[in-house]
Formats: sequence, structure tokens, C-alpha cells
Amino acid sequence: GIQVEQSPPDLILQEGANSTLRCNFSDSVNNLQWFHQNPWGQLINLFYIPSGTKQNGRLSATTVATERYSLLYISSSQTTDSGVYFCAVSSGGSYIPTFGRGTSLIVHP
Amino acid sequence: ETGVTQTPRHLVMGMTNKKSLKCEQHLGHNAMYWYKQSAKKPLELMFVYNFKEQTENNSVPSRFSPECPNSSHLFLHLHTLQPEDSALYLCASSQDRRLSYTFGSGTRLTVV
Repeated sequence: GIQVEQSPPDLILQEGANSTLRCNFSDSVNNLQWFHQNPWGQLINLFYIPSGTKQNGRLSATTVATERYSLLYISSSQTTDSGVYFCAVSSGGSYIPTFGRGTSLIVHP
Repeated sequence: ETGVTQTPRHLVMGMTNKKSLKCEQHLGHNAMYWYKQSAKKPLELMFVYNFKEQTENNSVPSRFSPECPNSSHLFLHLHTLQPEDSALYLCASSQDRRLSYTFGSGTRLTVV
């Protein structure tokens, strides 16, 4: 099956800093989603982005499908951005996403 | 109620108990999913239901038994679990298997 690698595995920021999270995948994709899991376990869908660029407030994401990666940008980070960010992709005839291991983000005040 | 609701939020059960997890979605979606999230491991897909029919069973042990009586409700029946089954169990739904997922808050299960 498709392989998904996320980097960095851990990230510590000061409030107000910017960051870029990366998701590499091993095959062409028909679906790519970014999620944020808060400290209480809730997974929130941030972007559905199999290709192109999207922005939502301080967050934006870009997927370059031909080069098999996606980036999640967080600008002016806040403490509420803390949690784990997951990339999930699916490929071929299967639309069931495979999740990466996530990037654990801690934003200090 | 909006989104995907899971109950209970926390559950502690003995290895000989029988319990059920419940998931309800209020989004009009037609696909529902159970995922298991263990510490230090990626999310693992357990079951997929599309229009109330099970379309995926990801080699899950028979001590986990799903039920989908309609497209809004999904249950996970548990019996004779093992301590290694302790994990966060997440339910999700989507309008179509190709589209974005909405997750519930999860049930944190501890097997003692």
C-alpha cells in the first residue's frame, strides 16, 4: 500500500512563530486530507487537498501531486494550535485513507 | 447536536465484560468508519460501512463486532477484550468515501 511520511515528528514553537509541516507519499493520490488532533483527542479536518493550494485563516496547504508531497503552513502560531497534525492519503481504486504518524506541535506562550 | 457524536467518552472494562461503543452522525453522510488509535502508532482503520453495508474489515479480531442499523448510527460491540485493545476508538463519517472525513471525539477504552 501507499506509504506516508510526515516531518518533523516533533515541533516546539514560541507563540507567533511560523511553521511548515511536510507530508511525503509514495504513490499518486486521489485524496489527501490534513487533520489536527487536539489534546482531548478530537480530530478536526483542516483541508481536503489532493492538489493545489488552499487557505483558511492562518493555515494554508499546498499539494504538489506530481512530486508526491504536501505542505501545511501555520502562520502566527497560537497555543491553541498545539496538538498532532496528521496527513492522510488514498490512492488507486481505494479511497480509504492511510494516515501518517503525525507531527506533534507544542506552541508555548 | 451537530457533527459526529461518540458515547461514552471513557470506558473501563474487564476482560470478561461485554460493552458497546456508539457513534451517531447528524451530517447526512452515507459512509461511516471505525478507527483505532494506539499510543505511538498511526490510526488503524477497522471497519467501513457504505450505505449501511460493510465494505471493509481490516483483519479485525472477532472480539470486535460492528453494527450499522442505519446510515446515521454505528456501533462497535466489544467482548472478551485484551489489555492491548486499550486505545482511543474513533468514529468518522463522510458523504462519499472519496470526500473529506468528519471525526467524533472518540472513546478512550481501557481494558483491565
